[in-house]
Amino acid sequence: QVQLVQSGAEVMEPGASVKLSCKASGYSFTTYYMHWVRQAPGQGLEWMGVISPSGDFTVYAQIFQGRVTMTRDASTSTVYMDLSSLRSDDTAVYYCARELPQSSYFDYWGQGTLVTVSS
Amino acid sequence: QSALTQPASVSGSPGQSITVSCTGTSSDVGNYYHVSWYQQHPGKAPKLIISDVTRRPSGVSNRFSGSKSGNTASLTISGLQAEDEADYYCCSYVRGGTYVFGTGTQVTVL
Repeated sequence: QVQLVQSGAEVMEPGASVKLSCKASGYSFTTYYMHWVRQAPGQGLEWMGVISPSGDFTVYAQIFQGRVTMTRDASTSTVYMDLSSLRSDDTAVYYCARELPQSSYFDYWGQGTLVTVSS
Repeated sequence: QSALTQPASVSGSPGQSITVSCTGTSSDVGNYYHVSWYQQHPGKAPKLIISDVTRRPSGVSNRFSGSKSGNTASLTISGLQAEDEADYYCCSYVRGGTYVFGTGTQVTVL
């Protein structure tokens, strides 16, 4: 069965960087796009960006440009999301979610990773 | 890119039908058929319930249906059940591979 298993919770200081992982199984890893979506406490979903199946291109939401980097490792079927210059308002649950190319919807989601930014 | 506009809350009695709206612009909802809906229970990851405005994935109850008119998409839940109590989010493709979510709607079963 399809599974997206994300890394564990993180507590980070302001100004630091965090790198989250999302390990895929149960399907052809190199076929699907992978998106990242975050949700601040008590707030709605916010789309952050996407990485292509091969990892050769990425698209990021404008508000994260310059702070986010998405990569993927086909040898371990893992996607990574690096967010730098962390601020308190980056405190959120971060989800990975897959998309079949050209489908424009997210059919499977990871369980989420809580990132807390606090001094 | 501004979030799509959804009502903060919608409620209904068991067995009733309710509709959740999702209003965007001619740059997102109005320009693409790529609107999807997600159900999220507290502490859980979102779950896809509608894709491409009207399509229901395998395993999703046929009590959920979607539609679109102009810049507004809608999700209708018929025969409301206690298990439908959750938050619901719409999402639209925008351009150049980007997406925008709605503000979210809390559905309460009275």
